[in-house]
Amino acid sequence: SAVISQKPSRDICQRGTSLTIQCQVDSQVTMMFWYRQQPGQSLTLIATANQGSEATYESGFVIDKFPISRPNLTFSTLTVSNMSPEDSSIYLCSGRQGAGTEAFFGQGTRLTVV
Amino acid sequence: AQSVTQLDSQVPVFEEAPVELRCNYSSSVSVYLFWYVQYPNQGLQLLLKYLSGSTLVKGINGFEAEFNKSQTSFHLRKPSVHISDTAEYFCAVSGSYAGTASKLTFGTGTRLQVTL
Repeated sequence: SAVISQKPSRDICQRGTSLTIQCQVDSQVTMMFWYRQQPGQSLTLIATANQGSEATYESGFVIDKFPISRPNLTFSTLTVSNMSPEDSSIYLCSGRQGAGTEAFFGQGTRLTVV
Repeated sequence: AQSVTQLDSQVPVFEEAPVELRCNYSSSVSVYLFWYVQYPNQGLQLLLKYLSGSTLVKGINGFEAEFNKSQTSFHLRKPSVHISDTAEYFCAVSGSYAGTASKLTFGTGTRLQVTL
């Protein structure tokens, strides 16, 4: 499967600031997703990143808080805006070529908000 | 919509012993099923997947899983575990029809702790 490079791998941020996470895939991929994984918990889907159009957000997540860009089929960014300590989590990007294919993941970004 | 239940949050096991990690799913449509492993401070790695065909699926690192449609289960097994298998294991499901197939829904994970 394709390889996703995600950065930064970790960051410590002040509350009220924003952080942009980048994911670069080594080949074109049909679908990209952003997940949040809180410590010791499962993955929660934030949104599907759509190439050339607005992302599709899951219930409980909004564009103003988590703006997403996907300018082409190999790259996407997630911004965590106006951060609070509750945003401390691991953020993962994922790619998938379509139904019947597995998802592959970046290494994750461990975010701590102080 | 789909949902996944992993019944065991933690499974302690001695090295070289067999292990089974349980996964049950719920869906109103046909599904694809996956098991992923997450080592500390890393992303998720695919262990195996069930799409169709044989209900016994073999994956990497000696793991296998059996799809049981009547019991809506997809339990993961390994006949003899190694210390290096210590990790978090996630079961995931997606629908198999267009419109339901793009997103994966994950279970809450099972922490496999292998000791000597």
